Amino acid sequence: KNQVEQSPQSLIILEGKNCTLQCNYTVSPFSNLRWYKQDTGRGPVSLTIMTFSENTKSNGRYTATLDADTKQSSLHITASQLSDSASYICVVRRETGANNLFFGTGTRLTVIP
Amino acid sequence: EPEVTQTPSHQVTQMGQEVILRCVPISNHLYFYWYRQILGQKVEFLVSFYNNEISEKSEIFDDQFSVERPDGSNFTLKIRSTKLEDSAMYFCASSGFSGDTGELFFGEGSRLTVL
Repeated sequence: KNQVEQSPQSLIILEGKNCTLQCNYTVSPFSNLRWYKQDTGRGPVSLTIMTFSENTKSNGRYTATLDADTKQSSLHITASQLSDSASYICVVRRETGANNLFFGTGTRLTVIP
Repeated sequence: EPEVTQTPSHQVTQMGQEVILRCVPISNHLYFYWYRQILGQKVEFLVSFYNNEISEKSEIFDDQFSVERPDGSNFTLKIRSTKLEDSAMYFCASSGFSGDTGELFFGEGSRLTVL
């Protein structure tokens, strides 16, 4: 069964601190994995994409990792800011099928001053 | 920057009423999607649309739902007779191509409240 599991479900951190969000998946055959940021009441926005051959990719203060062997990905946020408060959703694309995107339930991050 | 726009942002309706949610995808995109997100739950796929027809739909997308692209720019989701459990945020998304790295661009969502 194609599934995407994220942890933790929610996280509260102090402004300026770092944090790491986890994503485990069973989607197969794997095509790519995206991390989306979803601000409250708004649509998800793509932060980064990881393909099979990529281990690490950075986008500003966001760094994503992918271990295709263990089917795990992480999103590391450095020097958090209040504006980082949002849900972070891991979305895994399967190679085949029109509906080939599988969404995680998201991690709700709250950054407090 | 091109964006997907959705209207209305919020609609309140009585159970049993028909609702039409509208979306204007990014102009040169070819693939269109509707997703829904019940409060506190994950985003769920409803339907994908390409070349003026449905390419795939989920179990949620039953006979009460329909989609149209009436004029080459708008993409609509119709719920024929709303139920309480249809209350959710509905997101429209579009993609330029269905290649392996095709990114979905989401609209801001339409919040539907069924009373």
